[in-house]
Amino acid sequence: DTAVSQTPKYLVTQMGNDKSIKCEQNLGHDTMYWYKQDSKKFLKIMFSYNNKELIINETVPNRFSPKSPDKAHLNLHINSLELGDSAVYFCASSPGGRATDEQFFGPGTRLTVL
Amino acid sequence: AQSVTQLDSHVSVSEGTPVLLRCNYSSSYSPSLFWYVQHPNKGLQLLLKYTSAATLVKGINGFEAEFKKSETSFHLTKPSAHMSDAAEYFCVVSGSNAGKSTFGDGTTLTVKP
Repeated sequence: DTAVSQTPKYLVTQMGNDKSIKCEQNLGHDTMYWYKQDSKKFLKIMFSYNNKELIINETVPNRFSPKSPDKAHLNLHINSLELGDSAVYFCASSPGGRATDEQFFGPGTRLTVL
Repeated sequence: AQSVTQLDSHVSVSEGTPVLLRCNYSSSYSPSLFWYVQHPNKGLQLLLKYTSAATLVKGINGFEAEFKKSETSFHLTKPSAHMSDAAEYFCVVSGSNAGKSTFGDGTTLTVKP
């Protein structure tokens, strides 16, 4: 069973389009995250949700909007896509938001904006 | 405030020789420290973590790391590299909560036959 799953795995789209990436975890965790990994493999946290509530919102453009319908799902919607949005986006979850908690990562979604 | 520095962006070793990936950190809190591995086109997987218990931490696949507070270091080692160890490795420091984790820039480990 896949612990943290993301769809789609690959996403190729034109500038200006709107797209969504879905994430689901079946681990029963309370906390979920979105990370962006750029072409140099640097990882940056974008958002963190705990029990459907936003707890971390780093300096991310307003075009990015996370949505958590329940604590097992955290989706990422991106409006007006730009070339610089091309990256690999990882969803992750952890049991809670404690500093000692391991994070479990999904396989990633490679977004290419043309 | 917290930060993490991975001292080598690339490390190349021969199969069967020891691996050393270096990580220094700073944190205003008593930190939790992690090493994650990312194989090509995959998500990150936890290798090991330090959370204020034993300073020598053993992880999966023969890796271990030692927390040295005086040196603010958390270096990752393995006695004998295997071809399957070739991957990207991330050192992570987490101070106040997991959502405030800071990732290092990563070290690419190449293993030569």
